[in-house]
Amino acid sequence: DAKTTQPNSMESNEEEPVHLPCNHSTISGTDYIHWYRQLPSQGPEYVIHGLTSNVNNRMASLAIAEDRKSSTLILHRATLRDAAVYYCILRESGGSNYKLTFGKGTLLTVNP
Amino acid sequence: GAGVSQSPSNKVTEKGKDVELRCDPISGHTALYWYRQSLGQGLEFLIYFQGNSAPDKSGLPSDRFSAERTGGSVSTLTIQRTQQEDSAVYLCASSPRGPGYEQYFGPGTRLTVT
Repeated sequence: DAKTTQPNSMESNEEEPVHLPCNHSTISGTDYIHWYRQLPSQGPEYVIHGLTSNVNNRMASLAIAEDRKSSTLILHRATLRDAAVYYCILRESGGSNYKLTFGKGTLLTVNP
Repeated sequence: GAGVSQSPSNKVTEKGKDVELRCDPISGHTALYWYRQSLGQGLEFLIYFQGNSAPDKSGLPSDRFSAERTGGSVSTLTIQRTQQEDSAVYLCASSPRGPGYEQYFGPGTRLTVT
């Protein structure tokens, strides 16, 4: 999978929006941008994915830059339950590389 | 709907014993994956099942590890003659489609070999 770069950590206050950035300057045209998170002592959790257009689901929004070299995961109102490590990864649609690997991710701390 | 379930949630076993870990994927999901995660480490791929195709076993660390998926649904990961280095959280994930698509994880089985 192509490389992504994320800040090591971010901090937010409860009920405020959180914008988690991800840089992926070497993204190819067929790569989808996926986000997962892992709460303490739990398995990874799929959050959202997109290709070119911004995406919304019940958990979050994904804003993708026009040149696709960066993206931002948006949590509209952070809760304490959103404290986790967030991973941004690139996945080739229908590709043979199904083995999910995470980088270091961003550790999000949510303050009450 | 129901997510991926795994059992047991915790397993403590003595070195040299065999263990079986079970995964029930989301109904209708054709792809099933096993990973393991040691404390503070990343995901280590173990095995991948897709429909009726031969599984990709390339991630299994030794021949003590095996897995099967019956009827395209439930999967069992078996570890024979467990060793202390097998201690980890074993995670199962399923996907509604094949490679490259989102994976939904179960809560994991924490295996401790004493």
